[in-house]
Amino acid sequence: EAQVTQNPRYLITVTGKKLTVTCSQNMNHEYMSWYRQDPGLGLRQIYYSMNVEVTDKGDVPEGYKVSRKEKRNFPLILESPSPNQTSLYFCASRRESSYNEQFFGPGTRLTVL
Amino acid sequence: AQKVTQAQTEISVVEKEDVTLDCVYETRDTTYYLFWYKQPPSGELVFLIRRNSFDEQNEISGRYSWNFQKSTSSFNFTITASQVVDSAVYFCALSPFEGGSSNTGKLIFGQGTTLQVKP
Repeated sequence: EAQVTQNPRYLITVTGKKLTVTCSQNMNHEYMSWYRQDPGLGLRQIYYSMNVEVTDKGDVPEGYKVSRKEKRNFPLILESPSPNQTSLYFCASRRESSYNEQFFGPGTRLTVL
Repeated sequence: AQKVTQAQTEISVVEKEDVTLDCVYETRDTTYYLFWYKQPPSGELVFLIRRNSFDEQNEISGRYSWNFQKSTSSFNFTITASQVVDSAVYFCALSPFEGGSSNTGKLIFGQGTTLQVKP
């Protein structure tokens, strides 16, 4: 089954404790990205990757890191989480020539205390 | 600047009523895509429709219909004879097409409209 998976789905952590949210897709998609969803703001792009070893900042990259060592994986790293990073996070992927239609993962709800 | 505005934060209707969710977008690009996504209470994002900027034909899919008007930069979504299962947050999104290998495919989302359908 074609899908984007994220782990964990739910995470409660404390300020300053490094964490990684994994994202994996099995569709051989070139493009992957991370979004965060906040009430009243919709979804905003954090980082994206056009292909392996090619990443770039989205609209709200502060406090986040990403890497793209393999085509299928695109982890989101929070080196020192803060309460303002409490949010619902979505990973997405798409083929390069796909009319920009993206497949979304199930979401990761992160709470930083 | 590229922007999507969903002015209706929350809408509440009674089952079987028709409801229209508004979406207004801003872009200077001539080629772009518009999307609608549904987010049910379970939280996942469900793709509903994609439209490209060169196709202004309205579309109907069962109880759902979409009205794309470039003249007013709007892409409104109508649910006919609403049902309780339609209760969700609905997002409109814009994706500019930069062309070729530089196309990032970024989605610019509106704020979302929460639709509550009461029995």
